[in-house]
Amino acid sequence: KNEVEQSPQNLTAQEGEFITINCSYSVGISALHWLQQHPGGGIVSLFMLSSGKKKHGRLIATINIQEKHSSLHITASHPRDSAVYICAVRLRGGSNYKLTFGKGTLLTVNP
Amino acid sequence: DAGITQSPRHKVTETGTPVTLRCHQTENHRYMYWYRQDPGHGLRLIHYSYGVKDTDKGEVSDGYSVSRSKTEDFLLTLESATSSQTSVYFCAISESEMYEQYFGPGTRLTVT
Repeated sequence: KNEVEQSPQNLTAQEGEFITINCSYSVGISALHWLQQHPGGGIVSLFMLSSGKKKHGRLIATINIQEKHSSLHITASHPRDSAVYICAVRLRGGSNYKLTFGKGTLLTVNP
Repeated sequence: DAGITQSPRHKVTETGTPVTLRCHQTENHRYMYWYRQDPGHGLRLIHYSYGVKDTDKGEVSDGYSVSRSKTEDFLLTLESATSSQTSVYFCAISESEMYEQYFGPGTRLTVT
């Protein structure tokens, strides 16, 4: 069983829609990361959070430590938001360098 | 954007040949990482470095070695490339193990 599960695997939306991508994990963590990867492109760090909520432009990330769950929201989605969104967690204790990654959610936003 | 470059960006090589990928950073970050990305898998850590000459294995280190003789350069070597090492390789850096990681543009390696 993967320690990090993302849902949905694929998501198609119309421009302007509110998007939610979910990430669940099964172990204790010290931090959770959200990353974005455009087709054929590099990987960009969007957020790193260990509690509460962070906002950057139209992107909002929340985390519930007790429920071991995080969500990434995109408001007023746009075709340029089309990308793979990746959740990664840093496990608590042990080797803090290690990130465990989900398999990603492919988001397609149609005009 | 963090100053991270990878070279080469694309490479096709034959089974059994040695291959070295280079990651170069201009941020003076202490930590550097090599990942591979394959369809159906999340990013997986191959090796990482926590300082000059200080390296350690990740979860998929078999068949790979690394070296870091300068803060800015982290080399990944496939001693004898196999078809299972066909992948996209990403380098990442971070100022501290507790901070965000910044990724390079990736190297697409094909082993025929």
